[in-house]
Amino acid sequence: ILNVEQSPQSLHVQEGDSTNFTCSFPSSNFYALHWYRWETAKSPEALFVMTLNGDEKKKGRISATLNTKEGYSYLYIKGSQPEDSATYLCAFPNSGYALNFGKGTSLLVTP
Amino acid sequence: ETGVTQSPTHLIKTRGQQVTLRCSSQSGHNTVSWYQQALGQGPQFIFQYYREEENGRGNFPPRFSGLQFPNYSSELNVNALELDDSALYLCASSQPTTDTQYFGPGTRLTVL
Repeated sequence: ILNVEQSPQSLHVQEGDSTNFTCSFPSSNFYALHWYRWETAKSPEALFVMTLNGDEKKKGRISATLNTKEGYSYLYIKGSQPEDSATYLCAFPNSGYALNFGKGTSLLVTP
Repeated sequence: ETGVTQSPTHLIKTRGQQVTLRCSSQSGHNTVSWYQQALGQGPQFIFQYYREEENGRGNFPPRFSGLQFPNYSSELNVNALELDDSALYLCASSQPTTDTQYFGPGTRLTVL
């Protein structure tokens, strides 16, 4: 089992603040890294699949970077809004078919 | 395009009983994976089905079993329920040419 660690466990920011969180994963035999956003009572939503060292992907105000050599990925949210409140999960494919998830970062954005 | 659906939404069972959870995959997806999310944990991989065959299994006992049907929908069966089986069970489907898994909203199982 490949361990995926996320930090912080939870985060509380004010509307308009920018924020970021970290996903750490084993750097050997890297294949891909997935980011998901999971709002309460909804389905986890795929945000990004990152595969190349130095990758940077963006979706609206959310962006992510990848460093496969040191085994980490950052997720950034610019100008957080209340609708960004969710749990953000990263996952590392294990044995080609299973996603090995971290415990997630729970983000709360208050007006 | 219909997304991944799961039924039921919630379920309460007692220890020792058996339960069946159902999942309908997204159109065009022939791979279904099941995950268990216990309180305070990330989702844990149970198993995956591809074209009606089990394609990989996580660290779960044999009393967790599954099926995939010709229309690619799937069932998760759990026998001899234990209190620790209380969790959210997520189903995810994927296309054969991509790693992205698309999740349903989950079934909340409570074992008393």
